Amino acid sequence: GIQVEQSPPDLILQEGANSTLRCNFSDSVNNLQWFHQNPWGQLINLFYIPSGTKQNGRLSATTVATERYSLLYISSSQTTDSGVYFCAVERFAGGSEKLVFGKGTKLTVNP
Amino acid sequence: DTEVTQTPKHLVMGMTNKKSLKCEQHMGHRAMYWYKQKAKKPPELMFVYSYEKLSINESVPSRFSPECPNSSLLNLHLHALQPEDSALYLCASSRLKGQINQPQHFGDGTRLSIL
Repeated sequence: GIQVEQSPPDLILQEGANSTLRCNFSDSVNNLQWFHQNPWGQLINLFYIPSGTKQNGRLSATTVATERYSLLYISSSQTTDSGVYFCAVERFAGGSEKLVFGKGTKLTVNP
Repeated sequence: DTEVTQTPKHLVMGMTNKKSLKCEQHMGHRAMYWYKQKAKKPPELMFVYSYEKLSINESVPSRFSPECPNSSLLNLHLHALQPEDSALYLCASSRLKGQINQPQHFGDGTRLSIL
């Protein structure tokens, strides 16, 4: 099956710093999503971005499908950005489509 | 607040009990999913329903029994669970565009503890 690798596994920042999270995947995909899971377990959909670049406030994401990676940028980080960021991909495989998650990047933003 | 509503938020049950988890969405999505998430791990797919029919069962033990009574509701019936089944259970839904799924939207989950 498709492999999804995220880096770094852990990241500690001071409030106000910028960061880049990376997601590599082993095969072509037709769906890529970035999620933020907060400390209470809520899984929030950040971006649906199988290719191209999108921005939403302080967050932006870029997926280069031909090179099989995606990047999530967080600018001017805040303590509320803490949590785990997951990348998840889905590949059309003739009726067996499913979202495969990476292991996540745990982000801690200190005041 | 999320557009996918799960109840209850917390559930503690004994190994001999029977309980059900419920999930509801009113976004007109025709695909619904159950995931299991253990601590410090990513969510793992359990079941997928497409147009109210079970399309994927990821070899889940029969003590977990899904049900999709209509396009807005998804249940997960639990019976004779084991302590290792303690986890966060997440429900999600998405639109179906041909055979390609649109973004999945998750509920807040049910945190299940088996005594």
